[in-house]
Amino acid sequence: DSGVTQTPKHLITATGQRVTLRCSPRSGDLSVYWYQQSLDQGLQFLIQYYNGEERAKGNILERFSAQQFPDLHSELNLSSLELGDSALYFCASSVNAGGTTGELFFGEGSRLTVL
Amino acid sequence: GENVEQHPSTLSVQEGDSAVIKCTYSDSASNYFPWYKQELGKRPQLIIDIRSNVGEKKDQRIAVTLNKTAKHFSLHITETQPEDSAVYFCAASKYGQNFVFGPGTRLSVLP
Repeated sequence: DSGVTQTPKHLITATGQRVTLRCSPRSGDLSVYWYQQSLDQGLQFLIQYYNGEERAKGNILERFSAQQFPDLHSELNLSSLELGDSALYFCASSVNAGGTTGELFFGEGSRLTVL
Repeated sequence: GENVEQHPSTLSVQEGDSAVIKCTYSDSASNYFPWYKQELGKRPQLIIDIRSNVGEKKDQRIAVTLNKTAKHFSLHITETQPEDSAVYFCAASKYGQNFVFGPGTRLSVLP
C-alpha cells in the first residue's frame, strides 16, 4: 500500500458526460501529480499541484481540469468525454515540489471506460 | 519541454541472463532519474533512482548508470528471474517537478 488513495477504482460512463476522479495523497505529501495511461501505453503527465497551487502542466486537454484543496486532496475533472479518454488515471504524490527530489508514490489508479 | 526516449520497447531474456534498458533525455537541466516497475494491472513502483551528481548506483541485482554529457541513463538487471517480468519506465525530472516518463519497456524473463 503506497498510502495514496484514489476513488473510484472503476468508472463507466457515456460520451459527452463529465466525471470527477479523486486523490488523497500520502500523509505529509504536499505535491500531487496526475498521469494518464491508455491501454498498453506509457504514463502521460497531465498536471502537478503543490500545496494547493498548480506547479507544472503537461499534455492536459482543455476539457480536463484539476485542483488541489486546502486538505491537499486533489480532483481531476474530465468533461465532454470521448471514447479516446478511456484510460487508467493515476495520481501520485511526493513530499516536495522542488529544491529536493523524491520518490513518486502512485495510487492504484482509476480506470475510466467511456462507451 | 523534456522528452524521454526508451529502448527497447520489448525485451525477452532467458532466466539468469542480464537485461539492459536505455533511456535518453533532452533537457540538460534534469537532475533526477528514477526507474519504475509496473506489473500487470498494478501501480508503478520505484525500483531505483539516480541523481545527476552520481554516475552509478547499485542495489543488489539492479544498477543504474548515468552519462550526463550524452544525456542518457541505463537500467541493468543481472541474474534475471521470472518475477522481474514487468513493464519498466524510466523518467526524468527537474528538482522533483514535472516527472516525464519514457514509453516503457516490456521485459519478459523466459524460464
